[in-house]
Amino acid sequence: KQEVTQIPAALSVPEGENLVLNCSFTDSAIYNLQWFRQDPGKGLTSLLLIQSSQREQTSGRLNASLDKSSGRSTLYIAASQPGDSATYLCAVNKDDKIIFGKGTRLHILP
Amino acid sequence: EPEVTQTPSHQVTQMGQEVILRCVPISNHLYFYWYRQILGQKVEFLVSFYNNEISEKSEIFDDQFSVERPDGSNFTLKIRSTKLEDSAMYFCASSEMGYTAQYFGPGTRLLVL
Repeated sequence: KQEVTQIPAALSVPEGENLVLNCSFTDSAIYNLQWFRQDPGKGLTSLLLIQSSQREQTSGRLNASLDKSSGRSTLYIAASQPGDSATYLCAVNKDDKIIFGKGTRLHILP
Repeated sequence: EPEVTQTPSHQVTQMGQEVILRCVPISNHLYFYWYRQILGQKVEFLVSFYNNEISEKSEIFDDQFSVERPDGSNFTLKIRSTKLEDSAMYFCASSEMGYTAQYFGPGTRLLVL
């Protein structure tokens, strides 16, 4: 059974710092991995998708990497801003379903 | 930019009542999904739907739940007899194919009293 773990559960950093969020999964046979952002009480916004054959994807200040063989992904956020404060969810896709981690709650201090 | 929409945004119901949650997926997408998130917990997969039939479902998706695509645009989740523990945010999602990115709607917050 696929398990997705995200570390840390919560993170507070000063504005302007670069940061890394970690995700691990137990079954490497995945179609892809997606990173989402969730604001309190709101829906899920897709940030980046990495197909199983890819190693990384970039969008603006965000960079996500995937090491499928070791079951790990990282989300790198450069030059963090207060508007980046949210919960970031890692999710792996296999067999027509997504399995989510519990998320990392990020707080950027102004 | 196309997006998934859901109605209603909030629904309050009495235990034992039937509820229908509605979703309009992105128009050229072929795969449709329902997920739920109980307050403070992780997002959980309920069911996936392709070619007018369920392709995958979780243990949560028991006989009290059903899904339907009644026409070319809507995708619904029905809970026949709601329980207190059904209170959650329900998200609809869609994707072009089973292995492509899933796009989520804003959710329906269901409260069962």
